[in-house]
Amino acid sequence: SQTIHQWPATLVQPVGSPLSLECTVEGTSNPNLYWYRQAAGRGLQLLFYSVGIGQISSEVPQNLSASRPQDRQFILSSKKLLLSDSGFYLCAWWTLANYGYTFGSGTRLTVV
Amino acid sequence: AQTVTQSQPEMSVQEAETVTLSCTYDTSESDYYLFWYKQPPSRQMILVIRQEAYKQQNATENRFSVNFQKAAKSFSLKISDSQLGDAAMYFCAYRSAYLDYGGSQGNLIFGKGTKLSVKP
Repeated sequence: SQTIHQWPATLVQPVGSPLSLECTVEGTSNPNLYWYRQAAGRGLQLLFYSVGIGQISSEVPQNLSASRPQDRQFILSSKKLLLSDSGFYLCAWWTLANYGYTFGSGTRLTVV
Repeated sequence: AQTVTQSQPEMSVQEAETVTLSCTYDTSESDYYLFWYKQPPSRQMILVIRQEAYKQQNATENRFSVNFQKAAKSFSLKISDSQLGDAAMYFCAYRSAYLDYGGSQGNLIFGKGTKLSVKP
């Protein structure tokens, strides 16, 4: 079966600390992968997407970066977190056969 | 660039009644997908229903159905026999059908959402 895993579920980090959020998919190969951020009470903002290993496209200039070291692994990182990085982060993948996006369960990040 | 607009920030419906959520979009493309996602308090994004633009027939999934008007660029969601578990944020979303290699046209574009409350 096709599944997506995202962790951690909740994270509280101090300003200036590093960040690493991980997303992995199972049951598919060469998926298009996405990182979205959702501020409280708002819609989803696309941060990064990847169509293959090592291929990352950034949609919004920011304090974050993304990497795809393996076909089914997508990582969101930051060297130094800002208060404005707080939010709910969702990983998603798309395949044409799936005819839709499947989302991970999300990570609630609070920067203090 | 494509845009998705949900003009109803909040809606309320009585349990067992029917409610319709509105969505309009703007695009110059002819082939695309439209989606409705549900986000309950857990914040998990759950696919409710999808529509391929080339299909004239409106999609249905149990109590959920859409009214897809391609010329008007309208894509509303009807929820019949509303249940308490339907209470959530609902997002309308658009995705180009063209391959997204090297470009952002294949990304999912969301509206700002409609918060649906269901009264017992």
